[in-house]
Amino acid sequence: EAQVTQNPRYLITVTGKKLTVTCSQNMNHEYMSWYRQDPGLGLRQIYYSMNVEVTDKGDVPEGYKVSRKEKRNFPLILESPSPNQTSLYFCASSLAVTSDEQFFGPGTRLTVL
Amino acid sequence: KNQVEQSPQSLIILEGKNCTLQCNYTVSPFSNLRWYKQDTGRGPVSLTIMTFSENTKSNGRYTATLDADTKQSSLHITASQLSDSASYICVVSAYSQAGTALIFGKGTTLSVSS
Repeated sequence: EAQVTQNPRYLITVTGKKLTVTCSQNMNHEYMSWYRQDPGLGLRQIYYSMNVEVTDKGDVPEGYKVSRKEKRNFPLILESPSPNQTSLYFCASSLAVTSDEQFFGPGTRLTVL
Repeated sequence: KNQVEQSPQSLIILEGKNCTLQCNYTVSPFSNLRWYKQDTGRGPVSLTIMTFSENTKSNGRYTATLDADTKQSSLHITASQLSDSASYICVVSAYSQAGTALIFGKGTTLSVSS
């Protein structure tokens, strides 16, 4: 089944404890992206990747890192999480950013205490 | 500044009724516009993708329109069902030599009641 998977789905952590949210797609998509969704603000792009080893900042990249060493995986890294990073995170992929629909993962709800 | 504005912010309708959601954008250069449906606790799922030359596109009971001159799009839902209760997000793509950008609206929350 073609899909985007994220892990974990739920995470509660404390300020400053490094964490990684994994994202994987099995559709051989070139484009992958991370978003956060907050009430009243909608989806905001954190980082995106056009292909392996090609990443760029989105609208709200501060406090986050990403890597794209393999085409299928695009992990999101929070080196030192803070409470303002409490949010719902979505990973998405598409064949190419130019025309195809984006396929979203199921979401990761992160709480930073 | 590239922006996508959606209205209304929320909407409550009775099952079986029709409704129309609006999306106005100031995005340049425009490439395409997508409507997504997001059920509570789930990731968004694409409903339609419209390019500059397309005026209308249907997906079952969902019909999207695009007026590239006025930079407006609408999503019309016919004979609403309880399962239509969700957030609907309008996303506009802008392309340039400097790169690509996806501009998201904040969404319209639709509640369909029986």
